[in-house]
Amino acid sequence: KQEVTQIPAALSVPEGENLVLNCSFTDSAIYNLQWFRQDPGKGLTSLLLIQSSQREQTSGRLNASLDKSSGRSTLYIAASQPGDSATYLCAVPNPGNTGKLIFGQGTTLQVKP
Amino acid sequence: DAGITQSPRHKVTETGTPVTLRCHQTENHRYMYWYRQDPGHGLRLIHYSYGVKDTDKGEVSDGYSVSRSKTEDFLLTLESATSSQTSVYFCAIAPGGQGASGYGYTFGSGTRLTVV
Repeated sequence: KQEVTQIPAALSVPEGENLVLNCSFTDSAIYNLQWFRQDPGKGLTSLLLIQSSQREQTSGRLNASLDKSSGRSTLYIAASQPGDSATYLCAVPNPGNTGKLIFGQGTTLQVKP
Repeated sequence: DAGITQSPRHKVTETGTPVTLRCHQTENHRYMYWYRQDPGHGLRLIHYSYGVKDTDKGEVSDGYSVSRSKTEDFLLTLESATSSQTSVYFCAIAPGGQGASGYGYTFGSGTRLTVV
């Protein structure tokens, strides 16, 4: 059974810091891994999608890496800003036919001015 | 998000009444999903659809039914709402069941349902 874990559960940093969010999964037979952002009371916004054949993806100040063999992904945020404050979720598709996403519990990030 | 809309955005209803939530997509994606999000439980799959009139249960399907008569619409019905169904409901779409097409999943903005 695939399980996804995110550490830490919460993180508070001063503005301008570079930071890393961690995501680990137990079954390395994944098609892809997706990182989402969720603002309080809002929906999920897709940030980055990494295919199983890729090592990393970049979008602006965000860089996501994937190491299937070790069952890990990291989301690197450069030069953090208060507007980055949100909950970050990683998810992988469940093996099988449902396409159900297995989510981690998320990391809640607070960037202080 | 562009291409997927949920309605209503907010609803308050009384225990025992039927409620229908609507998810509408303009992406012509095959797969559609209903999730609920609750504190301490994260996101849990209720039902999903892999085509018109093709639906199946997720992990928390009791008390819910779905219908998909058109590619673009996926309806979630609470036959007789209970307080335990107070939650935020999200619809998601994907081109392929495993997301293997490379486009990943897109989520709607959610419906906040309160059952009193």
